[in-house]
Amino acid sequence: GDSVTQMEGPVTLSEEAFLTINCTYTATGYPSLFWYVQYPGEGLQLLLKATKADDKGSNKGFEATYRKETTSFHLEKGSVQVSDSAVYFCALSSTGGGNKLTFGTGTQLKVEL
Amino acid sequence: GAVVSQHPSRVICKSGTSVKIECRSLDFQATTMFWYRQFPKQSLMLMATSNEGSKATYEQGVEKDKFLINHASLTLSTLTVTSAHPEDSSFYICSALTGTSGGNEQFFGPGTRLTVL
Repeated sequence: GDSVTQMEGPVTLSEEAFLTINCTYTATGYPSLFWYVQYPGEGLQLLLKATKADDKGSNKGFEATYRKETTSFHLEKGSVQVSDSAVYFCALSSTGGGNKLTFGTGTQLKVEL
Repeated sequence: GAVVSQHPSRVICKSGTSVKIECRSLDFQATTMFWYRQFPKQSLMLMATSNEGSKATYEQGVEKDKFLINHASLTLSTLTVTSAHPEDSSFYICSALTGTSGGNEQFFGPGTRLTVL
Protein backbone atom coordinates (compact mmCIF):
# COMPACT_ATOMS: atom_id res chain seq x y z
CA GLY A 1 0.00 0.00 0.00
CA ASP A 2 0.84 3.66 -0.01
CA SER A 3 3.34 4.99 2.50
CA VAL A 4 5.31 8.14 3.26
CA THR A 5 8.63 8.28 5.08
CA GLN A 6 10.04 11.52 6.39
CA MET A 7 13.00 12.34 8.54
CA GLU A 8 12.58 12.23 12.28
CA GLY A 9 12.83 15.38 14.27
CA PRO A 10 13.12 17.55 16.01
CA VAL A 11 15.21 19.62 13.66
CA THR A 12 16.74 22.62 15.39
CA LEU A 13 18.16 25.46 13.29
CA SER A 14 19.34 28.96 13.83
CA GLU A 15 17.43 31.76 12.16
CA GLU A 16 18.43 32.31 8.52
CA ALA A 17 19.78 28.76 8.20
CA PHE A 18 18.95 26.55 5.21
CA LEU A 19 16.26 23.94 5.77
CA THR A 20 15.81 20.53 4.20
CA ILE A 21 13.25 18.00 5.39
CA ASN A 22 13.47 14.75 3.47
CA CYS A 23 10.38 12.90 2.30
CA THR A 24 10.15 9.74 0.22
CA TYR A 25 7.08 7.82 -0.78
CA THR A 26 5.78 4.51 -2.03
CA ALA A 27 2.62 4.51 -4.11
CA THR A 28 1.03 2.93 -7.11
CA GLY A 29 0.42 5.07 -10.15
CA TYR A 30 1.06 8.79 -10.07
CA PRO A 31 0.14 10.28 -6.72
CA SER A 32 -0.20 13.93 -5.84
CA LEU A 33 2.23 15.07 -3.16
CA PHE A 34 1.71 17.57 -0.38
CA TRP A 35 3.41 19.32 2.48
CA TYR A 36 1.24 20.38 5.40
CA VAL A 37 2.29 22.53 8.34
CA GLN A 38 0.86 22.47 11.84
CA TYR A 39 1.58 25.47 14.04
CA PRO A 40 1.22 25.02 17.81
CA GLY A 41 -2.42 24.74 18.83
CA GLU A 42 -3.73 24.90 15.27
CA GLY A 43 -4.94 22.50 12.60
CA LEU A 44 -2.96 21.34 9.60
CA GLN A 45 -2.62 23.83 6.76
CA LEU A 46 -1.65 23.02 3.22
CA LEU A 47 1.79 24.52 2.58
CA LEU A 48 2.38 23.40 -0.99
CA LYS A 49 1.65 20.61 -3.39
CA ALA A 50 2.68 19.06 -6.70
CA THR A 51 0.51 16.89 -8.87
CA LYS A 52 2.92 15.45 -11.45
CA ALA A 53 6.56 14.55 -11.93
CA ASP A 54 9.01 17.48 -12.03
CA ASP A 55 6.40 19.90 -10.73
CA LYS A 56 7.71 22.30 -8.12
CA GLY A 57 5.37 23.45 -5.38
CA SER A 58 6.23 26.68 -3.60
CA ASN A 59 4.73 28.91 -0.94
CA LYS A 60 6.05 31.33 1.71
CA GLY A 61 9.64 30.70 0.63
CA PHE A 62 9.28 26.91 0.91
CA GLU A 63 9.81 24.70 -2.14
CA ALA A 64 9.55 21.02 -2.97
CA THR A 65 10.05 19.24 -6.30
CA TYR A 66 8.22 16.06 -7.29
CA ARG A 67 11.01 13.62 -8.19
CA LYS A 68 9.53 10.46 -9.62
CA GLU A 69 12.89 8.81 -10.29
CA THR A 70 13.82 8.99 -6.63
CA THR A 71 10.23 8.93 -5.31
CA SER A 72 11.00 11.99 -3.23
CA PHE A 73 9.45 15.33 -2.35
CA HIS A 74 11.97 17.06 -0.09
CA LEU A 75 10.98 20.35 1.52
CA GLU A 76 13.48 23.21 1.38
CA LYS A 77 13.69 26.81 2.48
CA GLY A 78 16.68 29.03 1.99
CA SER A 79 16.42 31.09 5.16
CA VAL A 80 14.20 30.01 8.03
CA GLN A 81 12.62 32.31 10.58
CA VAL A 82 11.53 31.74 14.16
CA SER A 83 7.95 31.93 12.92
CA ASP A 84 8.56 28.80 10.82
CA SER A 85 8.75 26.70 13.97
CA ALA A 86 6.04 24.07 13.54
CA VAL A 87 5.48 20.44 12.64
CA TYR A 88 5.71 19.61 8.93
CA PHE A 89 3.89 16.65 7.39
CA CYS A 90 4.56 15.13 4.00
CA ALA A 91 1.55 13.41 2.44
CA LEU A 92 0.34 11.79 -0.75
CA SER A 93 -2.96 11.18 -2.44
CA SER A 94 -3.11 8.30 -4.89
CA THR A 95 -4.88 8.45 -8.20
CA GLY A 96 -8.38 7.13 -7.73
CA GLY A 97 -7.94 7.14 -3.97
CA GLY A 98 -11.02 9.20 -3.30
CA ASN A 99 -8.98 12.17 -2.11
CA LYS A 100 -7.64 10.14 0.81
CA LEU A 101 -4.35 11.32 2.23
CA THR A 102 -1.51 9.15 3.51
CA PHE A 103 0.75 11.05 5.91
CA GLY A 104 4.30 10.74 7.09
CA THR A 105 5.04 10.90 10.79
CA GLY A 106 5.73 14.62 10.82
CA THR A 107 8.96 16.51 11.50
CA GLN A 108 9.13 19.13 14.20
CA LEU A 109 11.16 22.19 13.28
CA LYS A 110 12.50 24.53 15.94
CA VAL A 111 14.11 27.75 14.82
CA GLU A 112 16.12 29.69 17.37
CA LEU A 113 17.47 33.23 17.33
CA GLY B 1 -9.62 30.54 3.38
CA ALA B 2 -11.93 27.73 4.36
CA VAL B 3 -12.27 27.22 8.10
CA VAL B 4 -13.05 24.00 9.93
CA SER B 5 -13.81 23.92 13.63
CA GLN B 6 -13.88 21.09 16.12
CA HIS B 7 -15.62 20.90 19.44
CA PRO B 8 -14.57 20.24 22.09
CA SER B 9 -10.87 20.94 21.80
CA ARG B 10 -10.16 18.81 24.84
CA VAL B 11 -12.23 16.25 26.73
CA ILE B 12 -11.55 14.02 29.71
CA CYS B 13 -13.99 11.25 30.45
CA LYS B 14 -14.33 8.14 32.56
CA SER B 15 -13.92 4.69 31.10
CA GLY B 16 -17.19 3.32 29.77
CA THR B 17 -18.74 6.64 28.82
CA SER B 18 -19.37 7.89 25.30
CA VAL B 19 -17.92 11.05 23.87
CA LYS B 20 -19.14 13.04 20.87
CA ILE B 21 -16.81 15.23 18.80
CA GLU B 22 -18.20 17.73 16.31
CA CYS B 23 -16.56 18.86 13.10
CA ARG B 24 -17.99 21.89 11.31
CA SER B 25 -17.12 23.60 8.06
CA LEU B 26 -17.79 27.23 8.89
CA ASP B 27 -17.82 28.99 5.54
CA PHE B 28 -18.32 26.26 2.98
CA GLN B 29 -20.30 23.11 2.42
CA ALA B 30 -18.61 19.75 2.47
CA THR B 31 -20.21 16.58 1.18
CA THR B 32 -17.14 14.68 2.33
CA MET B 33 -15.32 14.89 5.63
CA PHE B 34 -12.54 12.73 6.98
CA TRP B 35 -11.72 11.62 10.52
CA TYR B 36 -8.13 10.96 11.54
CA ARG B 37 -6.46 9.74 14.69
CA GLN B 38 -2.99 10.81 15.71
CA PHE B 39 -0.80 9.12 18.29
CA PRO B 40 2.16 10.93 19.84
CA LYS B 41 5.06 11.23 17.40
CA GLN B 42 3.14 9.28 14.78
CA SER B 43 1.41 10.18 11.58
CA LEU B 44 -2.25 10.89 11.13
CA MET B 45 -4.13 7.67 10.55
CA LEU B 46 -7.30 7.88 8.48
CA MET B 47 -10.16 6.31 10.37
CA ALA B 48 -13.10 6.88 8.08
CA THR B 49 -14.59 8.91 5.28
CA SER B 50 -17.83 10.62 6.15
CA ASN B 51 -20.30 11.36 3.35
CA GLU B 52 -23.32 13.58 3.83
CA GLY B 53 -26.53 11.61 3.79
CA SER B 54 -24.93 8.18 3.63
CA LYS B 55 -23.03 5.76 5.80
CA ALA B 56 -19.41 6.40 6.57
CA THR B 57 -16.70 4.30 4.97
CA TYR B 58 -14.31 2.92 7.56
CA GLU B 59 -10.68 2.01 7.01
CA GLN B 60 -9.52 -1.51 7.66
CA GLY B 61 -9.11 -2.23 11.34
CA VAL B 62 -11.36 0.58 12.56
CA GLU B 63 -14.39 -0.62 14.52
CA LYS B 64 -17.47 1.05 13.11
CA ASP B 65 -19.54 0.20 16.17
CA LYS B 66 -16.91 1.79 18.37
CA PHE B 67 -16.47 4.95 16.37
CA LEU B 68 -19.88 6.12 15.19
CA ILE B 69 -19.86 8.75 12.47
CA ASN B 70 -22.86 10.82 11.44
CA HIS B 71 -22.73 13.38 8.64
CA ALA B 72 -26.16 14.90 9.08
CA SER B 73 -25.67 18.08 7.08
CA LEU B 74 -23.30 19.65 4.59
CA THR B 75 -21.51 21.50 7.37
CA LEU B 76 -21.47 19.04 10.25
CA SER B 77 -20.01 15.61 10.91
CA THR B 78 -19.84 14.00 14.34
CA LEU B 79 -17.64 11.24 15.71
CA THR B 80 -18.90 9.41 18.77
CA VAL B 81 -16.49 7.23 20.67
CA THR B 82 -18.74 4.72 22.37
CA SER B 83 -17.87 3.04 25.67
CA ALA B 84 -14.50 4.73 25.68
CA HIS B 85 -11.50 3.03 27.24
CA PRO B 86 -8.01 4.33 28.03
CA GLU B 87 -6.64 2.91 24.78
CA ASP B 88 -8.99 5.26 22.92
CA SER B 89 -7.12 8.23 24.33
CA SER B 90 -5.70 10.08 21.37
CA PHE B 91 -5.81 13.22 19.26
CA TYR B 92 -8.71 13.16 16.82
CA ILE B 93 -8.60 15.43 13.76
CA CYS B 94 -11.23 16.01 11.13
CA SER B 95 -10.98 17.54 7.69
CA ALA B 96 -13.53 18.76 5.18
CA LEU B 97 -13.12 18.41 1.43
CA THR B 98 -13.92 21.20 -0.97
CA GLY B 99 -13.06 22.20 -4.47
CA THR B 100 -10.53 24.97 -5.10
CA SER B 101 -8.92 26.46 -8.18
CA GLY B 102 -6.13 23.93 -7.75
CA GLY B 103 -8.43 20.96 -7.37
CA ASN B 104 -9.98 19.30 -4.35
CA GLU B 105 -8.41 20.20 -1.03
CA GLN B 106 -8.88 19.05 2.55
CA PHE B 107 -9.15 21.73 5.22
CA PHE B 108 -8.35 20.53 8.71
CA GLY B 109 -9.83 21.24 12.07
CA PRO B 110 -7.61 22.02 15.08
CA GLY B 111 -8.12 18.60 16.63
CA THR B 112 -9.69 17.21 19.80
CA ARG B 113 -7.59 15.74 22.59
CA LEU B 114 -9.46 12.83 24.21
CA THR B 115 -8.25 11.44 27.50
CA VAL B 116 -10.05 8.44 28.97
CA LEU B 117 -9.36 7.74 32.61
